[in-house]
Amino acid sequence: EDQVTQSPEALRLQEGESSSLNCSYTVSGLRGLFWYRQDPGKGPEFLFTLYSAGEEKEKERLKATLTKKESFLHITAPKPEDSATYLCAVQADAILNNDMRFGAGTRLTVKP
Amino acid sequence: DSGVTQTPKHLITATGQRVTLRCSPRSGDLSVYWYQQSLDQGLQFLIQYYNGEERAKGNILERFSAQQFPDLHSELNLSSLELGDSALYFCASSVARGEAGNTIYFGEGSWLTVV
Repeated sequence: EDQVTQSPEALRLQEGESSSLNCSYTVSGLRGLFWYRQDPGKGPEFLFTLYSAGEEKEKERLKATLTKKESFLHITAPKPEDSATYLCAVQADAILNNDMRFGAGTRLTVKP
Repeated sequence: DSGVTQTPKHLITATGQRVTLRCSPRSGDLSVYWYQQSLDQGLQFLIQYYNGEERAKGNILERFSAQQFPDLHSELNLSSLELGDSALYFCASSVARGEAGNTIYFGEGSWLTVV
């Protein structure tokens, strides 16, 4: 069964067009939800960790929020350099050995 | 730069061969993780070591093995390689064993192509 689902699979935005990426999870006993950015052929770059519902974190044009069932990554006035795949991952009691379970990612393209 | 170093960056090898991928964790990190990323599968957890001992095992094939040495660097050994083993292999590290929201940091990966 899917435990971490990201949507949409791909998103194309114009520069300056704000939007949100979604990460929904079905595991119980969430210990942490993580957002990473991955450029093609590169390693995932850590962005945020969220621990509990209601928590929010911001970094430049990115803001991550968390509820009991999902997390959103809001991108405000994106620039072409924000183009990347954004990965969401969870650690939870329900996942064996506290393995970090990744979603398939959202591929974001920002056009100038 | 995450501070996690992986070598080699690229390698091409033939089916049936064996390769070793090397990883140096961030300074001070005791845990090392190995992940595989292929085009159709996303990031798959293979194995984790903490301070030299195996801590968790994921979808790692029996043909693959890993170890973490006293200086905390780690090696992933891939043997009897098949075409389907072609992928990006990532090493990641973290300070702790893997509890409660422990952030892990990834290296740049090793591209393996099996021909």
